[in-house]
Amino acid sequence: QVQLQESGPGLVKPSQTLSLTCSVSGDSIGRGAHYWNWIRQSPGRGLEWIGYIYYTGDTYYNPSLESRSTISVDTSKNQFSLILKSVTASDTAVYYCARDGNYGAGLLGFWGQGVLVTVSS
Amino acid sequence: EVLLTQSPATLSLSPGDRATLSCTASQSVGTSLAWYQQKPGHSPSLLIYETSGRAPGLPDRFSGSGSGTHFTLTISSLEADDFALYYCQQRSDWPYTFGQGTKLEIK
Repeated sequence: QVQLQESGPGLVKPSQTLSLTCSVSGDSIGRGAHYWNWIRQSPGRGLEWIGYIYYTGDTYYNPSLESRSTISVDTSKNQFSLILKSVTASDTAVYYCARDGNYGAGLLGFWGQGVLVTVSS
Repeated sequence: EVLLTQSPATLSLSPGDRATLSCTASQSVGTSLAWYQQKPGHSPSLLIYETSGRAPGLPDRFSGSGSGTHFTLTISSLEADDFALYYCQQRSDWPYTFGQGTKLEIK
C-alpha cells in the first residue's frame, strides 16, 4: 500500500521560507508511473493545488504561487519536497502531499496525513 | 482558472435519505470532474473520478453524473458513515481546482 508522510517545521516566521518533505513508501518515485503533488487547505482558501512533479523533474505550478514555489524530487531517497518563499499569514494551512491514483494526473488517490504549518512571529 | 461552485453549502438529512450534491463549473470541464470525501481530522479521499467512475471499494449507493458545467453526486440511501464534507475537483484545465465543499450533516 502506498503511504506518504509529510515532515517539516510547524511554525514559520513571516517573510521566511517554508520547507516540507514528503517521504514515500510502498512505491518508487523513480518508477515513473505517477505524478507527485502538493496541496494545501485553509479555512480561508479551501483546498488549493500548489503544484506537482514527475520523476524527471518536470514541474507544474499553480500560477498564483509559482513565483514563490519550488517542488523538487530526490529519487535516491524516494522523497519530494516543497519550498515556499516569503511566507505570510495567508500561507498558514494544512499542507498535504499526494500521489495520483491509477487514473492519471490530477486525480489524488493517495494522500499523506497532512502537516499544519502556521506562519506567525 | 476554473471556479467550481458547490451547493448547498450544508445539507441536513437523516440516515436512509437520498442526498444530492451539486457542483457547477465556470466553464466546461467535459467529464474531468471528481468527488472527494473528507472527515474531520483526515485527508480527503477520492470517491468518484471522471464524473461517474467509482474508486475501488466505493459502495454502489454513491453515483456521479453530469457533463460540461453541471455535475451531481448522489448518495441513494445515507448511512451514518456518509456524513462528512464533500468536494468536487476538476482536472480539465491547469491549475486543477476544488469546490468550496458541501457539509453533509445529520438532521
